[in-house]
Amino acid sequence: NAGVMQNPRHLVRRRGQEARLRCSPMKGHSHVYWYRQLPEEGLKFMVYLQKENIIDESGMPKERFSAEFPKEGPSILRIQQVVRGDSAAYFCASSPTSGGPGSEQYFGPGTRLTVT
Amino acid sequence: AQRVTQPEKLLSVFKGAPVELKCNYSYSGSPELFWYVQYSRQRLQLLLRHISRESIKGFTADLNKGETSFHLKKPFAQEEDSAMYYCALSERRSSNTGKLIFGQGTTLQVKP
Repeated sequence: NAGVMQNPRHLVRRRGQEARLRCSPMKGHSHVYWYRQLPEEGLKFMVYLQKENIIDESGMPKERFSAEFPKEGPSILRIQQVVRGDSAAYFCASSPTSGGPGSEQYFGPGTRLTVT
Repeated sequence: AQRVTQPEKLLSVFKGAPVELKCNYSYSGSPELFWYVQYSRQRLQLLLRHISRESIKGFTADLNKGETSFHLKKPFAQEEDSAMYYCALSERRSSNTGKLIFGQGTTLQVKP
């Protein structure tokens, strides 16, 4: 089991462009979480998805950000019209169960987004 | 609002010295607490969780509800313990989505 995969590992975008971050969960995991880490801060929850469903998006900015987890393929975090403040490390985690008490989240290596 | 606070950005100790990484939380319900660790050039991984009451790599952590703390301790630090440590909280109820609330992290530096 290769673990949670994220690509690209590094992404550079100019202001106004779109950024697409991909996350492939561990085999057998159908629950995906996205977190963002701004410089000098801890990880902050953005969104929790199950296959084809967004379950909790309480941490997502209201505009420009969207996420999906299709039936086939990786989960995608999409940021439209990026701004400098979007520069951060974006981490994906997957878990095998419903995300209730006691379930462990396995983290990917992260994607470092730089907006120039 | 739920919050996790790690007051120290950096903790530097000598090899063999005791270590205590502090974590305080703010949460009105019954929380589940975790410690995650990130070694250099590796991904974030779970170190231990309070419900397991286990010791991993010599580390222990006790949930103190009175002081709302979950400090991570090790009696004798090793150089390989040098890493970034994050305390995290999850809501402990059936409707919980499992999302984690992280502290800012503490870098532990163990000097030879």
